[in-house]
Amino acid sequence: DVQLLESGGGLVQPGGSLRISCVVSGFTFSNYGMNWVRQAPGKGLEWVSLITGSGDDTDYADSVKGRFTVSRDNSKNTLYLQMNSLRAEDTAMYYCAKKLGQPGTQYYFDHWGQGTLVTVSS
Amino acid sequence: EIVLTQSPATLSLSPGERATLSCRASQSVSRNLAWYQQKVGQAPRLLIYDASTRATGIPARFSGSGSGTDFTLTISSLEAEDFAVYYCQQRSNWPRMYTFGQGTKLEIK
Repeated sequence: DVQLLESGGGLVQPGGSLRISCVVSGFTFSNYGMNWVRQAPGKGLEWVSLITGSGDDTDYADSVKGRFTVSRDNSKNTLYLQMNSLRAEDTAMYYCAKKLGQPGTQYYFDHWGQGTLVTVSS
Repeated sequence: EIVLTQSPATLSLSPGERATLSCRASQSVSRNLAWYQQKVGQAPRLLIYDASTRATGIPARFSGSGSGTDFTLTISSLEAEDFAVYYCQQRSNWPRMYTFGQGTKLEIK
């Protein structure tokens, strides 16, 4: 059974940093791209970042580019998101999401974690 | 950047009725579109991908159609557990990014 479990969220001051994690099980982690998707309170879904299965390629939404860094440790089945220079508008539930297809195909998210809440406030 | 526009913003229907939700893309996405369901306090769930393929475990009352710029999610006969928010999603190659529609809230009438 595929499972994704995020952790590391919390309250951080504007300008601060936080690293959130997502531990997965139930599939061969290194074979699949992974993503971070966030949802501000009462708002819709916003894609944040992607990383390929090998970790050699990443990309980011313009809203976080230069401030956030995605990485993964395939030996630990864990995905990370390092968030620096946090702003109030980064306040959201952060979900990790598994890409459905193998590389080059099916750019959808077939499994999601339950989310970890990041609040940026003084 | 491709923009996805969903309509209506809110749809009020009764159990047993048919629901039709729309997603329009600002430029063609071929059939590379997905639909998700999100209930309050839960993560989204993949319903439909490649415009019309049901994801694993999704009931047959959910169906998707469309190609190019106009897509539809149909729920043939609403059940109580179907009242939720629905999002469409696509992925573009340049710039490389994923985008979601703003969502349609399906509420009980």
